[in-house]
Amino acid sequence: KAGVTQTPRYLIKTRGQQVTLSCSPISGHRSVSWYQQTPGQGLQFLFEYFSETQRNKGNFPGRFSGRQFSNSRSEMNVSTLELGDSALYLCASSLGGTWGTDTQYFGPGTRLTVL
Amino acid sequence: AQKVTQAQTEISVVEKEDVTLDCVYETRDTTYYLFWYKQPPSGELVFLIRRNSFDEQNEISGRYSWNFQKSTSSFNFTITASQVVDSAVYFCALTTGGGADGLTFGKGTHLIIQP
Repeated sequence: KAGVTQTPRYLIKTRGQQVTLSCSPISGHRSVSWYQQTPGQGLQFLFEYFSETQRNKGNFPGRFSGRQFSNSRSEMNVSTLELGDSALYLCASSLGGTWGTDTQYFGPGTRLTVL
Repeated sequence: AQKVTQAQTEISVVEKEDVTLDCVYETRDTTYYLFWYKQPPSGELVFLIRRNSFDEQNEISGRYSWNFQKSTSSFNFTITASQVVDSAVYFCALTTGGGADGLTFGKGTHLIIQP
């Protein structure tokens, strides 16, 4: 079974631009979560989508948004990029049951650099 | 709010030594789930183990073992007879059933196994 895939793997943008990252979950998984990883803040939860609806949301500004499609693929969008948005963005998928009873499997990440 | 502390930022040992990675957690929920993930240089988080708050049995998987103690809120990870391939950053994580905070990660322990 194929794992979680994320595209693109690397991205360079300039301040003020917007960016869209894509995540394809493991087949049969209905939940997709996004995390931001930076050297200073570590791994932080952005949000989770389940059945095309945002089910949980972390403490990030509204510039960070996402959506999920009927095939469970998810996209994350960051508008008006700031230098501090430079990070590794990780996507994780799970079956979508109660949190903790399912395991979250992570993709390889998208490394975003904002200049 | 929940919190995970991995006090060891970096550990360096010589191959074949045993090494223990510490994880201390805080949560007010009585039902919670603990995880360990491994992040090799490639960046992808690799799932190692999940444990729920009602199961305090220790677990052994090959050279890996985990010690869960609710009395001290700890979930420590031991690698026996370490190998160079074990070199990675290891993360301990916590979630509760609702998933409101997603997975809460510790800052990670960078394990270096020297040949």
